Amino acid sequence: GDSVTQMEGPVTLSEEAFLTINCTYTATGYPSLFWYVQYPGEGLQLLLKATKADDKGSNKGFEATYRKETTSFHLEKGSVQVSDSAVYFCALTVMNTGFQKLVFGTGTRLLVSP
Amino acid sequence: GAGVSQSPRYKVAKRGQDVALRCDPISGHVSLFWYQQALGQGPEFLTYFQNEAQLDKSGLPSDRFFAERPEGSVSTLKIQRTQQEDSAVYLCASRPLPGQGLVLFRNEQFFGPGTRLTVL
Repeated sequence: GDSVTQMEGPVTLSEEAFLTINCTYTATGYPSLFWYVQYPGEGLQLLLKATKADDKGSNKGFEATYRKETTSFHLEKGSVQVSDSAVYFCALTVMNTGFQKLVFGTGTRLLVSP
Repeated sequence: GAGVSQSPRYKVAKRGQDVALRCDPISGHVSLFWYQQALGQGPEFLTYFQNEAQLDKSGLPSDRFFAERPEGSVSTLKIQRTQQEDSAVYLCASRPLPGQGLVLFRNEQFFGPGTRLTVL
């Protein structure tokens, strides 16, 4: 079945450090890929997305590139801030479900200290 | 500019009680989803509505779970005879049909803050 695997956390970084959160996927169809973020006490928010191979999604300084050959969609940011502390979820939808279902990874908690 | 709202935000139930969780989607959104998020896990799909029609309920874990959206807007997730394993955060999301809203995020699902259910 379709699944998403992302690195376990927590990831602890100092402010201005470089961030990578790894995400790989397994899908029977051709998925769209997403990163969602969940700040403390808030709902899930879409951070970025990519719908086809080699697409790069970007938002708020975060980037992720859809790599079909390695079935990966790693999240990166060049310089993290304390306000980036949150839980990050990698997710996919596949065309054969009509984009109806999101399949999520288990989430990676990021803690950024001043 | 209200987003998706859910109520109650927290619910404590004794094992065996029935509970009802409410979701108010963004006005005009025709698609509505329910997800279950266990502690330390990612959300898992439960069911999907397009307007009042429940098109996919393959994720509902048992026949104790029932969802409805009778007028195509507000939705209620009902859990009968709650069990401890039902303890989780229940998330609701809505989505505009493709073609509505910003093109870049036309398939985006907008999530509510969730209802945390604790079954004692």
